[in-house]
Amino acid sequence: DQQVKQNSPSLSVQEGRISILNCDYTNSMFDYFLWYKKYPAEGPTFLISISSIKDKNEDGRFTVFLNKSAKHLSLHIVPSQPGDSAVYFCAAAGGTSYGKLTFGQGTILTVHP
Amino acid sequence: KAGVTQTPRYLIKTRGQQVTLSCSPISGHRSVSWYQQTPGQGLQFLFEYFSETQRNKGNFPGRFSGRQFSNSRSEMNVSTLELGDSALYLCASSLEANFDYGYTFGSGTRLTVV
Repeated sequence: DQQVKQNSPSLSVQEGRISILNCDYTNSMFDYFLWYKKYPAEGPTFLISISSIKDKNEDGRFTVFLNKSAKHLSLHIVPSQPGDSAVYFCAAAGGTSYGKLTFGQGTILTVHP
Repeated sequence: KAGVTQTPRYLIKTRGQQVTLSCSPISGHRSVSWYQQTPGQGLQFLFEYFSETQRNKGNFPGRFSGRQFSNSRSEMNVSTLELGDSALYLCASSLEANFDYGYTFGSGTRLTVV
C-alpha cells in the first residue's frame, strides 16, 4: 500500500521556466510534508517542508503548496536552473512518527539549458 | 560543520554473512534514523533512535537491528544476509524529530550481497 505517490516518473523543463512536481497521499494522519532532492551517489538533501496547518510555504525559488482536502501537494521551482536537475522525493510524517518519513517513488527533473 | 558520516561507503558481502554499518550524526543531533533504498521499493524506513532508545521501527524482519551509543553514533546490523538486502543504506540525523528543518542524510553505504 503506497501511502505517498509521485505519479510522474520524470519531468523535463527549459531553464528559466517553472517546474511543478506533484505528490499525492492517502493517509489522513500525515501532518507534515517534506521535499528532498537527490543526486546519484549522494544522500537526499532537504529542500523545504510544510505542516498541515499551512497551505503554502516559500523558501527562495522553492514554494510548496498543500491541498489537504485533495490530499495533494506540489513543489514549484521558479526559475528552474540546470543545477536543479536531480531526483525529487516527496515525504510525509504523522503524529509521533519519530523519524519515520514515508517517501514517494521520486520524480526525475531535467532542466535543459 | 561536519555532516552525517556513514562508513564504509561500499561493501560486498556473501549470502549468509552479517554486516555492520556505522553512522556518525551531526554534532549535537540526538535523533538518528536509518533507511533502505532499492530500485523496486524506494526509500523505506528501518528504525529511529533517540538517546540510545529505539523509538520507532519499520516493517523489516528481525535480521535488521540497530543501536545508538551515548555519543549519538549509531550502528545497524544485518544478519544472515540475503541477495535482496543489496541496497543503499542511508542514515539521517536531527536535533529532535523536527520536521521544520528536515532530517540531514548521509551519503549512504552501498551494500552488495553476492
